[in-house]
Amino acid sequence: EAGVAQSPRYKIIEKRQSVAFWCNPISGHATLYWYQQILGQGPKLLIQFQNNGVVDDSQLPKDRFSAERLKGVDSTLKIQPAKLEDSAVYLCASSFTGDSPLHFGNGTRLTVT
Amino acid sequence: GQQLNQSPQSMFIQEGEDVSMNCTSSSIFNTWLWYKQDPGEGPVLLIALYKAGELTSNGRLTAQFGITRKDSFLNISASIPSDVGIYFCAGHKNYGGSQGNLIFGKGTKLSVKP
Repeated sequence: EAGVAQSPRYKIIEKRQSVAFWCNPISGHATLYWYQQILGQGPKLLIQFQNNGVVDDSQLPKDRFSAERLKGVDSTLKIQPAKLEDSAVYLCASSFTGDSPLHFGNGTRLTVT
Repeated sequence: GQQLNQSPQSMFIQEGEDVSMNCTSSSIFNTWLWYKQDPGEGPVLLIALYKAGELTSNGRLTAQFGITRKDSFLNISASIPSDVGIYFCAGHKNYGGSQGNLIFGKGTKLSVKP
């Protein structure tokens, strides 16, 4: 089966600019997650969707980050405006249900200068 | 926020050696997971543990869910060069339910001895 697809792989922007990341989960996976992985650390959950509804966004900095999954399939994560501390790898993951193992994409590496 | 303490932070291996790493928490977890991440890729699930005391193997990998539910270890036997990478422990507190609130450790970086 095709894995979780993410694009772009790399993005370099200046602070205060905006950026968007895209994720296409594994076909049939109802649950989609966005994680932030800062260099040298483990991934940290930003937001979790069940179909097109948000299950958990408690760690999403809502003043600058937003995410949507309008049709319950692919998803976008946006940062506006970006700060230097947003430099990280943004990982998307999906699972068949909320109980199933997570499958991660290869991530988007964001550098904010 | 919730912390998982993973050790060692890094280690060097020689081919054929056995490797051990562990993860501890101040809180009880109901699931422990071990992932491996290669450079430029996302984490890949190695082993999932769902019951206290559970010992599970996946090839040369063995992991155990601590009886106190506050720790887990991962062993790799007879290491090979492709074992190099970063190993993360992760846990969550829900029985079944959502796995989204996975909390990750900071990782153990496995490298080859020069």
